Amino acid sequence: DAGVIQSPRHEVTEMGQEVTLRCKPISGHNSLFWYRQTMMRGLELLIYFNNNVPIDDSGMPEDRFSAKMPNASFSTLKIQPSEPRDSAVYFCASSLGTGHTPLHFGNGTRLTVT
Amino acid sequence: AQSVSQHNHHVILSEAASLELGCNYSYGGTVNLFWYVQYPGQHLQLLLKYFSGDPLVKGIKGFEAEFIKSKFSFNLRKPSVQWSDTAEYFCAVKGGGATNKLIFGTGTLLAVQP
Repeated sequence: DAGVIQSPRHEVTEMGQEVTLRCKPISGHNSLFWYRQTMMRGLELLIYFNNNVPIDDSGMPEDRFSAKMPNASFSTLKIQPSEPRDSAVYFCASSLGTGHTPLHFGNGTRLTVT
Repeated sequence: AQSVSQHNHHVILSEAASLELGCNYSYGGTVNLFWYVQYPGQHLQLLLKYFSGDPLVKGIKGFEAEFIKSKFSFNLRKPSVQWSDTAEYFCAVKGGGATNKLIFGTGTLLAVQP
C-alpha cells in the first residue's frame, strides 16, 4: 500500500502565479479531503469529495481556490492567482466509507508564495 | 456546526511524566472522535478513535482517551511520556451518520525533555 501520494513536496512560487497541487488517494478509498495547515489557523478543511463528487466546499477560502477530482485516483487543488497568505502546508487525505473510518494523510505539499 | 477546542497549545514535560491533553467538542448528535499525531516533518497519523461502546479507548504507543459524553470531552492520556512522543497532537470530530467531514482542533504541541 503506497498510501496517499501528494506532489510536489515543496513549491515556491511568486505572487500572482498559478499553483497546482496533486493528490493520488489510496486505491479503493471513495472519499478525498483537502486540508490546509498554518500556524495561525491549524488544520482547516477546504473541500471534500465523495465518489469523485464535491460534497462540501464551504472551507474553500476564495474563488482563487478550486479543486477537481476527474476520477477516483486523482485530484487537484489549484490556486490562481496565488498570494503570500496562501503559504501553508496542504494535506490531502482519503478514507473508505463514512462514519468512524479514519483518514489517511499524504505527506503534504509545503507551499511558499513570495 | 461541529467544532473542536484544544485548550493547551504548548505542553512541555520531562520524560516519565504523565500526560493529559484536553479536547472538547461541540456537536449535538452522535459523534465519532479521533486523536491524530503529527511527528516533526511528517504527516498526520491516527493515534486512536472512538465511535461506540467502551468510552475508554486505547491506541498505539500506550495512549488512551476517555469519551465523557456529559462533558463533551475526549481527553488524551499517557501515564509516562517518552522523548519520542514529542509531536503535535490533534483532536478531531466527525458527526455521525452519512457525513464524512472531519473537523480538527488547533493542535497541542508537546515537547518532552530527556
